[in-house]
Formats: sequence, structure tokens, C-alpha cells
Amino acid sequence: AQKITQTQPGMFVQEKEAVTLDCTYDTSDPSYGLFWYKQPSSGEMIFLIYQGSYDQQNATEGRYSLNFQKARKSANLVISASQLGDSAMYFCAMREGWDSSASKIIFGSGTRLSIRP
Amino acid sequence: GAVVSQHPSWVICKSGTSVKIECRSLDFQATTMFWYRQFPKQSLMLMATSNEGSKATYEQGVEKDKFLINHASLTLSTLTVTSAHPEDSSFYICSAIASSGKETQYFGPGTRLLVL
Repeated sequence: AQKITQTQPGMFVQEKEAVTLDCTYDTSDPSYGLFWYKQPSSGEMIFLIYQGSYDQQNATEGRYSLNFQKARKSANLVISASQLGDSAMYFCAMREGWDSSASKIIFGSGTRLSIRP
Repeated sequence: GAVVSQHPSWVICKSGTSVKIECRSLDFQATTMFWYRQFPKQSLMLMATSNEGSKATYEQGVEKDKFLINHASLTLSTLTVTSAHPEDSSFYICSAIASSGKETQYFGPGTRLLVL
């Protein structure tokens, strides 16, 4: 069964607009972590933001914020004031379990975001 | 932030040869490293978990005799693709978790393998 689901294979957004990338997850483990990574055409994986399952507040990192809806098992990424450099693949990922030193991360299928000038 | 390097960044080899890819954590110790494979326009698929001083744990469907993993020190893990074939051509990415147990994995820049 799919653990991480990203339903938007591709998105086009006008520069300076906000964009929301969808992510839903499935786990029965009460302890888990959710991640968003950006992968530009160069291939490197760039960590954007992290949300722990017990975190009370939604994570924010600069222009990135994570809309964490625990009951709905969703962890959407919101990018405010999009820039041309935001064009890339975006992956939602999840780590199950409390021990961050041992748990593997499972990735979603990704969303290709293209910013129009 | 933490830095993970991979070497080589790309490699072209003939079918039947073996290729070794190195993954190093440059400024932290990593008891656990992960190896991923990514085919064009697809997501990262975990191949194996590499633990320092012990045997790697392979994901279902990944041949351990085909993809040899050695985690000889707290800063180095190697992936050897043995008797490579064209279908092994892919983008291989490693990641590492700091021994201090930080929440995130740090990814290497990846290695593009092309088997002719």
C-alpha cells in the first residue's frame, strides 16, 4: 500500500503567487516524521522542512510552511511568493518510528513544479 | 549544514564491469547511511540501509549479491554494482544520519551511472 501519496504530478504557477503541494500519508505508528525535499534538475536532494507527529505547531522555514492536518493525515507544503528558482521536483517523505538514527525515509512520487515568469 | 559527498559524480562503464560508488559524511559521523536509486522521472527508491560495522539491510527485491554495500567507518559507505548491465543505469543517491540523532537525513549529490 502506498505510504506517501502525492496526487499532483505537475503544477504550473505564476511567479510571486503562493502554491500548495499536496501530500497524504498512511501509518499506524503514532511516532513519525514528515519531510519535504526539493530536487532541481541537478539531482541533489535539498531538505526543505520537517514536521514531527507530536509537534503542536505547523513547521515553517522562511517561505516554506507545512500545513499539518494530523486527523486527515495530510502534510501539504505551502510555498509563499514563488520564485523562478522554485521550479523543481518536490518530494514528500515520511519516517516511521521514534528512532531517527535508524528509521528509513519513504518518498512519495513527487510533484514537478514549474514557475511561470 | 551537514555535508555528504559522493564519488564519482558520474560514471560510464561497459556491461559486465563492476562499479564502486563512495558516500562520505564530511563533517559528522554517520552510524547509518542509506542508498537510493532513482530512475528518470521517478521517485527515490530505497535500496538498502547501511550500518557501520554490520551487514547492510536490503529492501525487498534488491539483490544483495548484485549491490554490495560496505560501511567500513563512521564516515564512509560504499556501494558496488557488480557485473553491471544496462538496466542498472540509474541515479544513485546516498544519505546519512548524524550519530547525534538529528531528525533529518542529509543527501549526497548523487552518482549517475550509465552502463553501455
